[in-house]
Amino acid sequence: KQEVTQIPAALSVPEGENLVLNCSFTDSAIYNLQWFRQDPGKGLTSLLLIQSSQREQTSGRLNASLDKSSGRSTLYIAASQPGDSATYLCAVIRRQAAGNKLTFGGGTRVLVKP
Amino acid sequence: NAGVTQTPKFRVLKTGQSMTLLCAQDMNHEYMYWYRQDPGMGLRLIHYSVGEGTTAKGEVPDGYNVSRLKKQNFLLGLESAAPSQTSVYFCASSPSRVPLYGYTFGSGTRLTVV
Repeated sequence: KQEVTQIPAALSVPEGENLVLNCSFTDSAIYNLQWFRQDPGKGLTSLLLIQSSQREQTSGRLNASLDKSSGRSTLYIAASQPGDSATYLCAVIRRQAAGNKLTFGGGTRVLVKP
Repeated sequence: NAGVTQTPKFRVLKTGQSMTLLCAQDMNHEYMYWYRQDPGMGLRLIHYSVGEGTTAKGEVPDGYNVSRLKKQNFLLGLESAAPSQTSVYFCASSPSRVPLYGYTFGSGTRLTVV
C-alpha cells in the first residue's frame, strides 16, 4: 500500500526566505507526482506535475524535484511572499493503482510573515 | 473557463435526509473522482469512474452511491445522511493518459449533517 508523508506539518518563515517542503512515499513504482496548493476554504490548485522519468519541474519561483529511488520529492519556493501562505499537498499515482487514483500526503501548512 | 464545477457549494442536512452532489467537467476527461477531506485525515477517495456508465469503489465508499450517466457528469449521492458524513467533498477529473497529465479539482462542497 502506498503511503505518502509530508514533514513538517506546519512551517512559518519570514518574507523573503526560501521555502523547502518535503514529501516522501513508500512505493517507488509511480506514474507521476503532483504538487497542489490549497487556500483556506478553497479547492486544490495544481502547481507542478513531475513524470516518473523526470528529475525536476520548474514554474516561476517554484521548483520541484523527484528522486524515485529514495521515494522523495521536494518543493522549493524561492523568495517567499505573504501570498504564498497556504497548505501544500503532494500526491502520487501508483503504476498498479486501478483508475489512476491519487494518494495524498497530509499536507504542509505554510505561513509567510511580512 | 474550462474546469471542474461542483454544485452546491454549501449545504446543511438533517440526519437521515438525502441529497445529491453534482460534478461537471468540460475538458472531455475520461476519469472522474469523488474525495472527502477531513481534518487530520487528509483527502480520501470515495468512488471513481473510468468512463461513462462505469463506477468503482474507493477507500471510503460506505454510505455513498455514484452515477456517471454522461461523460461530463459524476453524481455523488447520500441516501441517508449521518453526522459522520460532515466533510468537504471534492470532485476531480483526469484524462486517461495519466502519465502525461495530472488531475483537475473542483472548488469543493462543504456539507454539514446535524
